[in-house]
Amino acid sequence: DGGITQSPKYLFRKEGQNVTLSCEQNLNHDAMYWYRQDPGQGLRLIYYSQIVNDFQKGDIAEGYSVSREKKESFPLTVTSAQKNPTAFYLCASSGRGDLGETQYFGPGTRLLVL
Amino acid sequence: EDQVTQSPEALRLQEGESSSLNCSYTVSGLRGLFWYRQDPGKGPEFLFTLYSAGEEKEKERLKATLTKKESFLHITAPKPEDSATYLCAGGSNTGNQFYFGTGTSLTVIP
Repeated sequence: DGGITQSPKYLFRKEGQNVTLSCEQNLNHDAMYWYRQDPGQGLRLIYYSQIVNDFQKGDIAEGYSVSREKKESFPLTVTSAQKNPTAFYLCASSGRGDLGETQYFGPGTRLLVL
Repeated sequence: EDQVTQSPEALRLQEGESSSLNCSYTVSGLRGLFWYRQDPGKGPEFLFTLYSAGEEKEKERLKATLTKKESFLHITAPKPEDSATYLCAGGSNTGNQFYFGTGTSLTVIP
């Protein structure tokens, strides 16, 4: 089955700890995205990548980092600099990254701070 | 300022009671208007993409329409399994990004 997988489903972070969220897609899409979802707010873009080895900051990139070494994978690291990391994190992908293209989402990872 | 606004925030319907959800957008250079369904604790599920005013798309009990300023998601004779949050988003050439609304939480009561 083609789709987007995210792991883990739940993740717990301790103070001062970096954590990495996984996102993998087998849709052969060039573009991948990371969003953050908080209650009562629309999805906010953290980072996006339109091609391997290239990525761009979104609206709320501070405290986050990404890599895009393979077309299928776009991991997100939440660093200790992100002071309010508790949220639902969503990964998405689209064909070429054109803004008229549909973005397809993964099942999400909920990050909680201990 | 580019933005997407959804109303109402929450909607409760009796099973079989048809209604519409509204998505108003002020997105310059709109490339596409997207509707998603999101169940609690899950990722958004794609429903429709609309590209130009006057366009309509249907899927089961749902029909999405688009004007130059708004999009509507019409729900005909809803069932309890239609209960979810419905998200609207616009892709902007000018702003070079997607703009998401905050969603409408729909509850369909048996």
